[in-house]
Amino acid sequence: GDSVTQMEGPVTLSEEAFLTINCTYTATGYPSLFWYVQYPGEGLQLLLKATKADDKGSNKGFEATYRKETTSFHLEKGSVQVSDSAVYFCAPRSSNYKLTFGKGTLLTVNP
Amino acid sequence: KAGVTQTPRYLIKTRGQQVTLSCSPISGHRSVSWYQQTPGQGLQFLFEYFSETQRNKGNFPGRFSGRQFSNSRSEMNVSTLELGDSALYLCASSLDLPGVNTEAFFGQGTRLTVV
Repeated sequence: GDSVTQMEGPVTLSEEAFLTINCTYTATGYPSLFWYVQYPGEGLQLLLKATKADDKGSNKGFEATYRKETTSFHLEKGSVQVSDSAVYFCAPRSSNYKLTFGKGTLLTVNP
Repeated sequence: KAGVTQTPRYLIKTRGQQVTLSCSPISGHRSVSWYQQTPGQGLQFLFEYFSETQRNKGNFPGRFSGRQFSNSRSEMNVSTLELGDSALYLCASSLDLPGVNTEAFFGQGTRLTVV
């Protein structure tokens, strides 16, 4: 079945530090790839997406590139802020429309 | 445009009871999926409906069931509640045009506590 291996946290960074959260996946067919973010007490918000190989998704300074050859979709941000503190989920959606989540990475950014 | 709406936001039930959770998708979205989120197991897929048909199903016991109505609204039901069913239940909707795998948008969730 589909699966996601995501860098386990927690990850603690200082403000303005560089962030990388690694994600590799297995999925049926040719999946679309997503990163979601969850703030405390809330549901999941779509952060960014990529639908085909070599696509780069970006939003709010976050970026991730669809690497088909390595089945990876690593999340990066050049300079994190305290407001980025949240849990981040990598999620492929396979060609049978099933969305699979990693275990999530808790990011804490200190001022 | 209204987002995905889940009701109720919070529920407290007793072991052995049953519960029904409701999800109204974004207007025009025909796919609705349900997830259970717990600290120990993370986000687990329950099932997905598209145009009133169950399209995908996760590995949950038969006590967990769902349905989708002609207006795309969905309900999930859990019968004979167990303490381990305490969780945040999330609903997501997606547009899913023919042959196009689109992003899913999530509701705020229903927090179910079984005592």
